[in-house]
Amino acid sequence: ILNVEQSPQSLHVQEGDSTNFTCSFPSSNFYALHWYRWETAKSPEALFVMTLNGDEKKKGRISATLNTKEGYSYLYIKGSQPEDSATYLCAFRAAGAGSYQLTFGKGTKLSVIP
Amino acid sequence: NAGVTQTPKFQVLKTGQSMTLQCAQDMNHEYMSWYRQDPGMGLRLIHYSVGAGITDQGEVPNGYNVSRSTTEDFPLRLLSAAPSQTSVYFCASSYSRQGANYGYTFGSGTRLTVV
Repeated sequence: ILNVEQSPQSLHVQEGDSTNFTCSFPSSNFYALHWYRWETAKSPEALFVMTLNGDEKKKGRISATLNTKEGYSYLYIKGSQPEDSATYLCAFRAAGAGSYQLTFGKGTKLSVIP
Repeated sequence: NAGVTQTPKFQVLKTGQSMTLQCAQDMNHEYMSWYRQDPGMGLRLIHYSVGAGITDQGEVPNGYNVSRSTTEDFPLRLLSAAPSQTSVYFCASSYSRQGANYGYTFGSGTRLTVV
């Protein structure tokens, strides 16, 4: 069983604050790292799929970086808004023939206070 | 384009009953999978399929069966429901072409309670 850890478990920030959280994953046998956003009562939605060491992805105020050599990824939210409140999941995909499945972390729950 | 459709959304079963959770996708995704979500746990993989006629076990397969007779459908069967199977179940699908990396598309989930 692969170990994918996310920290912190939960986070409360004021509207307008910038924030970041961490996903750590195995540094060997890397294929891809996914980030998902999961709003309450909805289903997870893909934010980013990252494959290369040093990758940086951006979508609006949300961005992510990837370090495959040391096994971590950061998700950044600039100027948090109440609509950013959600659980953010990362998921690791290992290399290997036919290895399509993702191993998910437990998520970071973000609450943005107006 | 409906995406991934899961039915039912809610279900209550008695211990020992069997049932099938349905999952259908209309995106021609090769890869389909079932996860369960429990409090304090991450999404845990139950079973997955990389194409019609091909299935394999994930991390927590005991008590569940799957089949993949078509590209579109991937039902999950509970053989004899137990209270430990009380959970929220998500179906997810993706392209799985060689060298491709796509995010998963998730269904809306099935909340199952076994009493």
